[in-house]
Amino acid sequence: GAVVSQHPSWVICKSGTSVKIECRSLDFQATTMFWYRQFPKQSLMLMATSNEGSKATYEQGVEKDKFLINHASLTLSTLTVTSAHPEDSSFYICSAGHPKDRGQETQYFGPGTRLLVL
Amino acid sequence: DAKTTQPNSMESNEEEPVHLPCNHSTISGTDYIHWYRQLPSQGPEYVIHGLTSNVNNRMASLAIAEDRKSSTLILHRATLRDAAVYYCIPSDEGGSEKLVFGKGTKLTVNP
Repeated sequence: GAVVSQHPSWVICKSGTSVKIECRSLDFQATTMFWYRQFPKQSLMLMATSNEGSKATYEQGVEKDKFLINHASLTLSTLTVTSAHPEDSSFYICSAGHPKDRGQETQYFGPGTRLLVL
Repeated sequence: DAKTTQPNSMESNEEEPVHLPCNHSTISGTDYIHWYRQLPSQGPEYVIHGLTSNVNNRMASLAIAEDRKSSTLILHRATLRDAAVYYCIPSDEGGSEKLVFGKGTKLTVNP
């Protein structure tokens, strides 16, 4: 299957700093990318939908000024957690929509980035 | 978004078949049924999807009820590597539409 990478795989930062997470589709072009967050023992929660060349669409309750998303190319989307606080500590996962026929597979997920804010 | 109901957890022995059920009684007529799984500390992984007919691939089989209100993911011979949380997700456009993850079924495989 197609490959999606994330960088870094884990990051520890001090409270108040900003952290940038990259999501890349390595062998296909993704018009749409998605960002999810997962707290321990919980399911994935969609944060935002990122479309190449346009502004991201944020889910209700997700602060767009805190979680900055940039999708500048068909293979790269970035999530910046600004002024991170301990409650932002989580597992951040991106996915990329593979441009196949309607209903056909699928979204490919990155391996995730574990963020710990001290 | 169609609501799904899955058992919180299931247990199996290695090399035995596993049937993971999912109820999606409010599924729309155009929604495909997608199954993903998430191994510990990893991103989700696509398993299989289908619309009406049963589907097979190298990972699993998907049996879809005739009324499409439920489906069953079948792992023919469970391995330790299959221990994961399995999610069934109805979705109209699997690639470009957001996926709404429920709580899924945590599968434990005993050696």
